[in-house]
Amino acid sequence: DIQMTQSPSSLSAFVGDRVIITCRASQSIRNYLNWYQQKPGKAPKVLIYAASSLQSGVPSRFSGSGSGTEFTLTISSLQPEDLATYYCQQSYKTPYTFGQGTKVEIK
Amino acid sequence: EVQLVESGGGLVQPGGSLRLSCAASGFTFNSYWMHWVRQAPGKGLVWVSRINGDGSSSTYAEFVKGRFTISRDNAKNTLYLQMNSLRAEDTAVYYCIRDPDSYGYSVLDYWGQGTLVTVSS
Repeated sequence: DIQMTQSPSSLSAFVGDRVIITCRASQSIRNYLNWYQQKPGKAPKVLIYAASSLQSGVPSRFSGSGSGTEFTLTISSLQPEDLATYYCQQSYKTPYTFGQGTKVEIK
Repeated sequence: EVQLVESGGGLVQPGGSLRLSCAASGFTFNSYWMHWVRQAPGKGLVWVSRINGDGSSSTYAEFVKGRFTISRDNAKNTLYLQMNSLRAEDTAVYYCIRDPDSYGYSVLDYWGQGTLVTVSS
């Protein structure tokens, strides 16, 4: 199975800060990488697909980059509603594995 | 509006069975792959299974192979997950998810609200 490792596991930042979350795959997954946001008590929703494509309706402060084994999710200006856990997920081959999650808190 | 509504969760004893259902609406159900993903209490997301649009192809995570069966009834716009030989570690919220699989690219673009399965004596 392809292992997905996110860092950090949690972070705390001020409103307006730039936040970067990293995801590393145990082998090359080309650009088959999606990012999801899960707010407390809610189902996840997709933010970014194919490593860098913004899902319709998602604010432009979210962006993704990377290919191969190294990927990043950037929130350009953190907002209070971005309090959530963020997961990366590879869709290169089954089983479609997720990272362990990054919990984002607001200072 | 796309809607996915799961049902069938509950409390079951170890070794027991349960069938989850997911009623889909607001899109052409048979044009989409469908997945199940689970989340144990306070833990991360774990992919369980997927099935293609006509139900002819399915894939499973190793830890459910031989115990769980994914299926769909396109006439009823419903996805199922038959879970047998349940274990305590199967306790989780189970999410039903749509996947457009556009040009061979998988993305889990709409999620249901989830149904909780608790395996305990």
